[in-house]
Amino acid sequence: NAGVTQTPKFQVLKTGQSMTLQCAQDMNHNSMYWYRQDPGMGLRLIYYSASEGTTDKGEVPNGYNVSRLNKREFSLRLESAAPSQTSVYFCASSVDETTLEGYTFGSGTRLTVV
Amino acid sequence: GEDVEQSLFLSVREGDSSVINCTYTDSSSTYLYWYKQEPGAGLQLLTYIFSNMDMKQDQRLTVLLNKKDKHLSLRIADTQTGDSAIYFCAESIEDSSYKLIFGSGTRLLVRP
Repeated sequence: NAGVTQTPKFQVLKTGQSMTLQCAQDMNHNSMYWYRQDPGMGLRLIYYSASEGTTDKGEVPNGYNVSRLNKREFSLRLESAAPSQTSVYFCASSVDETTLEGYTFGSGTRLTVV
Repeated sequence: GEDVEQSLFLSVREGDSSVINCTYTDSSSTYLYWYKQEPGAGLQLLTYIFSNMDMKQDQRLTVLLNKKDKHLSLRIADTQTGDSAIYFCAESIEDSSYKLIFGSGTRLLVRP
Protein backbone atom coordinates (compact mmCIF):
# COMPACT_ATOMS: atom_id res chain seq x y z
CA ASN A 1 0.00 0.00 0.00
CA ALA A 2 1.16 3.51 -0.77
CA GLY A 3 2.11 5.62 2.20
CA VAL A 4 4.85 6.65 4.58
CA THR A 5 7.15 3.94 5.94
CA GLN A 6 9.26 4.45 9.04
CA THR A 7 11.99 2.22 10.40
CA PRO A 8 12.63 1.01 13.00
CA LYS A 9 9.31 0.78 14.89
CA PHE A 10 11.01 0.48 18.27
CA GLN A 11 14.49 1.35 19.52
CA VAL A 12 16.26 1.53 22.86
CA LEU A 13 19.45 3.58 23.05
CA LYS A 14 21.94 4.31 25.77
CA THR A 15 22.69 7.93 26.55
CA GLY A 16 25.33 9.21 24.14
CA GLN A 17 24.66 6.68 21.39
CA SER A 18 23.74 7.82 17.92
CA MET A 19 21.14 6.54 15.50
CA THR A 20 19.25 7.46 12.36
CA LEU A 21 15.51 7.13 11.93
CA GLN A 22 14.52 6.36 8.38
CA CYS A 23 11.45 7.57 6.52
CA ALA A 24 10.35 6.94 2.95
CA GLN A 25 7.20 7.85 1.03
CA ASP A 26 6.05 6.54 -2.32
CA MET A 27 3.34 9.11 -3.08
CA ASN A 28 5.61 11.48 -5.01
CA HIS A 29 5.11 14.11 -2.31
CA ASN A 30 7.37 17.14 -2.31
CA SER A 31 7.29 18.01 1.38
CA MET A 32 8.29 15.87 4.35
CA TYR A 33 8.29 16.43 8.10
CA TRP A 34 9.57 15.00 11.36
CA TYR A 35 7.47 15.37 14.52
CA ARG A 36 7.88 14.10 18.04
CA GLN A 37 4.92 13.21 20.23
CA ASP A 38 5.13 13.46 23.99
CA PRO A 39 2.31 12.83 26.49
CA GLY A 40 0.12 15.90 26.97
CA MET A 41 2.10 17.93 24.45
CA GLY A 42 0.72 16.83 21.12
CA LEU A 43 3.02 16.82 18.13
CA ARG A 44 5.92 19.21 17.86
CA LEU A 45 7.73 19.84 14.60
CA ILE A 46 11.44 19.01 14.68
CA TYR A 47 12.51 19.62 11.08
CA TYR A 48 10.85 19.78 7.72
CA SER A 49 11.79 19.68 4.08
CA ALA A 50 9.58 21.74 1.80
CA SER A 51 11.14 20.18 -1.28
CA GLU A 52 14.04 17.98 -2.30
CA GLY A 53 17.30 19.71 -1.45
CA THR A 54 15.90 21.97 1.28
CA THR A 55 15.54 21.49 5.02
CA ASP A 56 14.42 23.88 7.76
CA LYS A 57 14.21 23.88 11.50
CA GLY A 58 10.90 23.45 13.22
CA GLU A 59 9.89 24.15 16.80
CA VAL A 60 12.30 21.76 18.58
CA PRO A 61 15.39 21.11 16.38
CA ASN A 62 18.09 20.98 19.07
CA GLY A 63 19.86 17.62 19.27
CA TYR A 64 18.72 16.52 15.82
CA ASN A 65 19.91 16.66 12.23
CA VAL A 66 18.10 15.71 9.05
CA SER A 67 18.93 14.70 5.51
CA ARG A 68 16.62 14.83 2.52
CA LEU A 69 18.41 12.10 0.64
CA ASN A 70 16.12 12.29 -2.41
CA LYS A 71 12.47 13.02 -3.04
CA ARG A 72 11.36 9.80 -1.34
CA GLU A 73 13.55 9.73 1.77
CA PHE A 74 13.94 12.01 4.76
CA SER A 75 16.05 10.78 7.67
CA LEU A 76 16.38 12.07 11.22
CA ARG A 77 19.65 11.64 13.10
CA LEU A 78 20.36 11.80 16.80
CA GLU A 79 24.12 12.32 17.18
CA SER A 80 24.28 11.87 20.96
CA ALA A 81 21.01 10.62 22.40
CA ALA A 82 19.72 12.04 25.68
CA PRO A 83 16.90 10.77 27.94
CA SER A 84 14.92 13.93 27.01
CA GLN A 85 14.72 12.54 23.48
CA THR A 86 12.65 9.57 24.64
CA SER A 87 9.52 10.02 22.56
CA VAL A 88 7.47 8.71 19.67
CA TYR A 89 8.72 10.09 16.37
CA PHE A 90 6.45 10.53 13.38
CA CYS A 91 7.42 11.22 9.82
CA ALA A 92 4.83 12.80 7.53
CA SER A 93 4.60 13.96 3.95
CA SER A 94 2.37 16.21 1.89
CA VAL A 95 1.93 17.03 -1.77
CA ASP A 96 3.57 20.35 -1.08
CA GLU A 97 3.79 22.73 1.82
CA THR A 98 0.56 24.48 0.90
CA THR A 99 -1.65 21.41 0.57
CA LEU A 100 -5.13 21.60 2.00
CA GLU A 101 -5.27 17.83 2.18
CA GLY A 102 -3.12 17.73 5.25
CA TYR A 103 -0.34 15.28 5.86
CA THR A 104 0.07 11.52 5.51
CA PHE A 105 1.74 10.08 8.58
CA GLY A 106 3.89 7.03 9.14
CA SER A 107 3.09 4.67 12.00
CA GLY A 108 5.85 6.05 14.23
CA THR A 109 9.11 5.05 15.88
CA ARG A 110 9.02 4.59 19.63
CA LEU A 111 12.44 5.59 20.99
CA THR A 112 13.60 5.09 24.56
CA VAL A 113 16.89 6.56 25.74
CA VAL A 114 18.20 5.10 29.00
CA GLY B 1 2.12 33.16 19.19
CA GLU B 2 0.80 29.95 17.78
CA ASP B 3 -1.12 27.76 20.20
CA VAL B 4 -3.81 25.12 19.86
CA GLU B 5 -5.56 23.84 22.96
CA GLN B 6 -7.82 20.88 23.59
CA SER B 7 -9.24 19.17 26.62
CA LEU B 8 -7.37 15.97 27.40
CA PHE B 9 -10.14 13.45 27.89
CA LEU B 10 -13.76 12.73 26.96
CA SER B 11 -15.86 9.70 27.87
CA VAL B 12 -19.21 8.96 26.22
CA ARG B 13 -21.63 6.05 26.02
CA GLU B 14 -21.95 4.10 22.80
CA GLY B 15 -24.70 5.58 20.63
CA ASP B 16 -24.42 9.06 22.13
CA SER B 17 -22.92 12.04 20.35
CA SER B 18 -19.38 13.17 21.16
CA VAL B 19 -18.23 16.76 20.94
CA ILE B 20 -14.52 17.48 20.98
CA ASN B 21 -13.50 21.10 21.32
CA CYS B 22 -10.44 23.04 20.26
CA THR B 23 -9.32 26.65 20.53
CA TYR B 24 -6.57 28.30 18.56
CA THR B 25 -4.87 31.66 18.75
CA ASP B 26 -3.55 32.50 15.29
CA SER B 27 -6.09 34.51 13.32
CA SER B 28 -4.18 33.92 10.09
CA SER B 29 -5.07 30.23 10.07
CA THR B 30 -6.14 29.16 6.61
CA TYR B 31 -7.29 25.59 7.18
CA LEU B 32 -8.20 23.68 10.32
CA TYR B 33 -8.02 19.93 10.58
CA TRP B 34 -9.11 17.01 12.68
CA TYR B 35 -6.88 13.96 12.86
CA LYS B 36 -7.55 10.61 14.53
CA GLN B 37 -4.85 8.46 16.13
CA GLU B 38 -5.61 4.87 17.05
CA PRO B 39 -3.33 3.00 19.49
CA GLY B 40 0.10 2.28 18.05
CA ALA B 41 -0.65 4.04 14.79
CA GLY B 42 0.10 7.30 13.08
CA LEU B 43 -2.36 10.13 12.61
CA GLN B 44 -5.11 9.81 10.05
CA LEU B 45 -6.78 12.84 8.53
CA LEU B 46 -10.52 12.82 9.32
CA THR B 47 -11.69 16.09 7.89
CA TYR B 48 -10.71 19.70 7.37
CA ILE B 49 -12.47 23.04 7.04
CA PHE B 50 -11.53 26.27 5.35
CA SER B 51 -11.25 29.20 7.71
CA ASN B 52 -13.98 31.08 5.81
CA MET B 53 -16.53 28.32 6.44
CA ASP B 54 -18.79 27.91 9.47
CA MET B 55 -19.70 24.28 9.19
CA LYS B 56 -18.81 21.13 7.33
CA GLN B 57 -20.63 17.80 7.53
CA ASP B 58 -19.21 14.47 6.43
CA GLN B 59 -21.39 11.46 7.29
CA ARG B 60 -21.28 11.12 11.11
CA LEU B 61 -18.82 13.99 11.48
CA THR B 62 -19.80 17.65 11.83
CA VAL B 63 -17.18 20.37 12.14
CA LEU B 64 -18.21 23.75 13.49
CA LEU B 65 -15.96 26.80 13.28
CA ASN B 66 -16.48 30.02 15.20
CA LYS B 67 -13.83 32.26 13.74
CA LYS B 68 -14.65 35.18 16.01
CA ASP B 69 -13.98 33.09 19.13
CA LYS B 70 -11.28 30.97 17.41
CA HIS B 71 -13.16 27.85 18.43
CA LEU B 72 -13.38 24.62 16.48
CA SER B 73 -15.43 21.56 17.38
CA LEU B 74 -15.84 18.04 16.06
CA ARG B 75 -19.16 16.30 16.65
CA ILE B 76 -19.35 12.54 16.13
CA ALA B 77 -22.92 11.30 15.88
CA ASP B 78 -23.89 7.80 17.08
CA THR B 79 -20.46 7.23 18.59
CA GLN B 80 -19.18 3.66 18.28
CA THR B 81 -16.51 1.78 20.25
CA GLY B 82 -14.33 1.96 17.13
CA ASP B 83 -14.28 5.72 17.53
CA SER B 84 -12.19 5.36 20.69
CA ALA B 85 -8.92 7.09 19.85
CA ILE B 86 -7.01 10.33 20.34
CA TYR B 87 -8.31 13.24 18.27
CA PHE B 88 -6.01 16.07 17.29
CA CYS B 89 -7.00 19.50 16.17
CA ALA B 90 -4.49 21.27 13.89
CA GLU B 91 -4.23 24.59 12.13
CA SER B 92 -2.17 25.59 9.14
CA ILE B 93 -0.18 28.75 9.60
CA GLU B 94 0.63 31.08 6.72
CA ASP B 95 4.17 31.79 7.76
CA SER B 96 7.27 31.85 5.61
CA SER B 97 6.05 28.40 4.76
CA TYR B 98 2.91 26.59 5.66
CA LYS B 99 3.10 24.13 8.49
CA LEU B 100 0.64 22.44 10.78
CA ILE B 101 0.39 23.30 14.47
CA PHE B 102 -1.19 20.51 16.51
CA GLY B 103 -3.08 20.54 19.74
CA SER B 104 -2.19 18.11 22.51
CA GLY B 105 -4.99 15.72 21.58
CA THR B 106 -8.25 14.62 23.22
CA ARG B 107 -8.54 10.99 24.23
CA LEU B 108 -12.07 9.76 23.48
CA LEU B 109 -13.25 6.70 25.37
CA VAL B 110 -16.50 5.11 24.21
CA ARG B 111 -18.17 2.96 26.86
CA PRO B 112 -20.36 0.05 25.77
